[in-house]
Parts: sequence; structure tokens; C-alpha cells
Amino acid sequence: AQTVTQSQPEMSVQEAETVTLSCTYDTSESDYYLFWYKQPPSRQMILVIRQEAYKQQNATENRFSVNFQKAAKSFSLKISDSQLGDAAMYFCAYRASQGGSEKLVFGKGTKLTVNP
Amino acid sequence: DTEVTQTPKHLVMGMTNKKSLKCEQHMGHRAMYWYKQKAKKPPELMFVYSYEKLSINESVPSRFSPECPNSSLLNLHLHALQPEDSALYLCASSKSLADSSYNEQFFGPGTRLTVL
Repeated sequence: AQTVTQSQPEMSVQEAETVTLSCTYDTSESDYYLFWYKQPPSRQMILVIRQEAYKQQNATENRFSVNFQKAAKSFSLKISDSQLGDAAMYFCAYRASQGGSEKLVFGKGTKLTVNP
Repeated sequence: DTEVTQTPKHLVMGMTNKKSLKCEQHMGHRAMYWYKQKAKKPPELMFVYSYEKLSINESVPSRFSPECPNSSLLNLHLHALQPEDSALYLCASSKSLADSSYNEQFFGPGTRLTVL
């Protein structure tokens, strides 16, 4: 079974600075998707960025980018120019297939605080 | 319309009550999901429906009964719940694996359930 590990329960960053959130995963599959989801306090979960394993190029979405190291099974999220609105729980997730459907396997999450 | 709606937003129920949670999407998605999320924890998958058929049940107790009456609606019927079932219940939807190899899950805002 696939597992996702986020080793940083909490992180903090100064506004306008850069922060990196770590994620490692374990799988025997060769092609798969990885995601970072953001869940602000009392607000709904939204997708931040995704990466398909067969694509060697790291995904980028505006201030958000990933460092995808397939051999090391590492998928870290870098947030540049941090903003107060980036404060949230960040979940790393692996898309697994089961019974012809798919499901997300989440890490335990990292709570990001942005200090003004 | 990229919205998943959930009603009610909050629900308080006794252990002998019967209640239902409702989820709706109009994105044409044929896969719908129920997750349970305890405070400061990641979402835990409960059920997956694909083309209105139950495809994944993560060994959820029978006091939770899902229903997918049509492609836009997903219900979760609750009966004889326990206080430990108090949590945020999230609904999500996506394209089905049969339709697309990449399927972002769109999450609703959740129903916060308290069982007394």
C-alpha cells in the first residue's frame, strides 16, 4: 500500500520569504500523480499543485513550485514570496487506484504560519 | 461552475437520531467521494462512487449509509452514531478513471457534525 509522510507538523515563515514543505512517499508503481492541497482555517480544501510522475520537469504554479525527486520518492513544495493568505494546513497526497476507482492517500499535514 | 456544495454546514444530533448529509456538484463528474476529517488530521476516505455505483468502501461502520441517487447528488445517511463520529465530513468529486487519466478532486466546504 502507498504511504505518504510529512515530517514537519508545523512550519513558520516571514511574509515575503520562501519556505519549503517536505513530503516523501512510498509506492511500487511507476506512473502516478502527486498533489499538494491547501486547507485554510475553516475553509475548504483546494488543490495547490500537481505532478505526474513520468514528467521530469518540476511543476510550477505562480509562487508555488515543487522539487520532485522520483528516485528518492520525495515531493517538496516551495512557496516563494509568502503571503498572509498562505497560512493553512498543507497536505501532500498520492493518487492511488483501487477497484477501478481512485483515491487520495494523504500525509498527516503541515501547518504553515505566516508571520507579518 | 467548479463548486461542490454541501448541506447542512453544521449538524448536531443525538445518538438515536437519523439524519442525512447532502452533497451536490454540477461539473459533470462521475466520481464522488465521502471523507471524514478529525481536527488537525488529514481527511480519511470513507466511500467512493463511480457512475452512481459504490466502488470503494473503506470498511466504514454500517451506521453510515451512502447513497448516490444520480450523477450530481451524493448523500450520507447517519443512524445511531457515536460521539467519536463527531468530525468534519467532506464531499469531493472528480472525473472518473474511465473518463480521464488525470482527475483533480474538487472538495466541498464540509459539514461539521457533532454527536451528543
